[in-house]
Amino acid sequence: DVKVTQSSRYLVKRTGEKVFLECVQDMDHENMFWYRQDPGLGLRLIYFSYDVKMKEKGDIPEGYSVSREKKERFSLILESASTNQTSMYLCASQDRNSGNTIYFGEGSWLTVV
Amino acid sequence: AQRVTQPEKLLSVFKGAPVELKCNYSYSGSPELFWYVQYSRQRLQLLLRHISRESIKGFTADLNKGETSFHLKKPFAQEEDSAMYYCAISGGYNKLIFGAGTRLAVHP
Repeated sequence: DVKVTQSSRYLVKRTGEKVFLECVQDMDHENMFWYRQDPGLGLRLIYFSYDVKMKEKGDIPEGYSVSREKKERFSLILESASTNQTSMYLCASQDRNSGNTIYFGEGSWLTVV
Repeated sequence: AQRVTQPEKLLSVFKGAPVELKCNYSYSGSPELFWYVQYSRQRLQLLLRHISRESIKGFTADLNKGETSFHLKKPFAQEEDSAMYYCAISGGYNKLIFGAGTRLAVHP
């Protein structure tokens, strides 16, 4: 069974703090993604990675960075958290050789105060 | 530019009524389209994809290239269908572009 795990389900951080959101998948998938989910806006792609140490900007990369040092792990970093980054963050992975189905984690609720 | 539009934020129906969740897209090329669903307190999951031409939980969706639409339909809604539904299109690098979502509320 496909498993995408986001270790932190709920976080509260202060403005200006550095925040790390971790995501691990156990399916040996090449592609991994970070989305944020906001009411009325749907899911917006922040960054994605199609291989280790490779990353591509999505639609809203400003204020974020990512790290993919190992195939199974894709980290989202907020260098200096701001209140407008309060959101649900969804990690996902995809086996690019078996169609475009994307598998999601349960999400990380981040509140920046 | 690739875009997915779901014009309804909320669709409210009674149990047994037909349901149609609208999705329109803009894409240059041959798109691959999906419907994802998120039930309360569950992770987002694939409901169906147009290339499979299958019916999942009674839902179907037909790709209409002329109208650039991929509406999701079910003839008789059930209370357990209440959820958030997202239409998505596959862009470059296999990434998915999502619409804003439609919340379906099925009342007894």
